[in-house]
Amino acid sequence: AQSVTQPDIHITVSEGASLELRCNYSYGATPYLFWYVQSPGQGLQLLLKYFSGDTLVQGIKGFEAEFKRSQSSFNLRKPSVHWSDAAEYFCAVGPSRNFGNEKLTFGTGTRLTIIP
Amino acid sequence: DGGITQSPKYLFRKEGQNVTLSCEQNLNHDAMYWYRQDPGQGLRLIYYSQIVNDFQKGDIAEGYSVSREKKESFPLTVTSAQKNPTAFYLCASSIAGTESYPQHFGDGTRLSIL
Repeated sequence: AQSVTQPDIHITVSEGASLELRCNYSYGATPYLFWYVQSPGQGLQLLLKYFSGDTLVQGIKGFEAEFKRSQSSFNLRKPSVHWSDAAEYFCAVGPSRNFGNEKLTFGTGTRLTIIP
Repeated sequence: DGGITQSPKYLFRKEGQNVTLSCEQNLNHDAMYWYRQDPGQGLRLIYYSQIVNDFQKGDIAEGYSVSREKKESFPLTVTSAQKNPTAFYLCASSIAGTESYPQHFGDGTRLSIL
């Protein structure tokens, strides 16, 4: 069975500093990988996804993520955070070989706090 | 602008009562999903539908029911059989096919027990 681990429940970063959110997955083959962001009381927004090809994926809002097969990781990065990046971030994994990725497995999330 | 509308934003359920959460999308997406979100947990899939008049159970379908009579609508009923319904419910939609995945989410409905 596929699984996702986000080891950091809460991270605090100063505005303008760099950010890395960790995501480790467990799956028997190359999965589809996703990062979503959720602001309080709202739905999720897709930041980026990895299906195949280049292991460094660019997303919206200046985020990027790198797929590292050897480490079973898909960490999210941003070189300089803004106060508006404060939110909860979810990593998700889907079984790429199946028809569709309806049954994504989501991590438990990392809450990001930005301090001035 | 296209998007997903969930209503109501807040909902209260009495013991033994069924309640229905609305989800409407104008994105012309074929696939729609319902997720449940509890504090400190990731999203868990309740039901999903790839086409009209067809839907499949997700990981936690017990105590829930859905219908998909129209492409743009995918209502979720929380029945009295769901003993712990207090949660944040999210509806999502996407294109269908081999690379289908939840692309757009509504702003959720928060359900509480009276």
